[in-house]
Amino acid sequence: DADVTQTPRNRITKTGKRIMLECSQTKGHDRMYWYRQDPGLGLRLIYYSFDVKDINKGEISDGYSVSRQAQAKFSLSLESAIPNQTALYFCATSGGRAPYNEQFFGPGTRLTVL
Amino acid sequence: GDSVTQMEGPVTLSEEAFLTINCTYTATGYPSLFWYVQYPGEGLQLLLKATKADDKGSNKGFEATYRKETTSFHLEKGSVQVSDSAVYFCAFDSGGGADGLTFGKGTHLIIQP
Repeated sequence: DADVTQTPRNRITKTGKRIMLECSQTKGHDRMYWYRQDPGLGLRLIYYSFDVKDINKGEISDGYSVSRQAQAKFSLSLESAIPNQTALYFCATSGGRAPYNEQFFGPGTRLTVL
Repeated sequence: GDSVTQMEGPVTLSEEAFLTINCTYTATGYPSLFWYVQYPGEGLQLLLKATKADDKGSNKGFEATYRKETTSFHLEKGSVQVSDSAVYFCAFDSGGGADGLTFGKGTHLIIQP
């Protein structure tokens, strides 16, 4: 079984709709991240969480919110989806052990906002 | 600000050719460096990493050396295969994982038989 799972894998929605992307992990990691990937732009950080009580904004948090329901679960919400939020979304986890922060990625959710 | 610059793609090579994908970074502090690979339809997988100057990361025939003096971490492979076709991302973590990883834009590699 995969260590980091994301649901749904694909989602098509309409402008103005609220949607939630979910991420679960079995790695026992404290740190979880949400990134979006756009063609030619690489990955950009949306939000990250160091534990259930610690949520932080990333580079591009506007229009998004998150919830860390448990150590193993980290959800990303789009309160009112817009077309420029069409992208591939990745969840990642990290054990955060020095001296480096290797991250483990889920398979991604492809979101299309019409 | 912090950033990663890597070769624009796509890069198209014939099987068994030598591969170099250039990567340079701008960062404060002393970052750890990574190469991730994304195969079609999949998420990112760590390919190799290096944590201090002159460290060489290696995996699956790929290598990259942490060059602090030139702030570079170029990816190389002596003989590529069709199965190496993927998108390759250079990234760094400036320490503690506080802000996640900073990624380059990715280089799409196409290997032709």
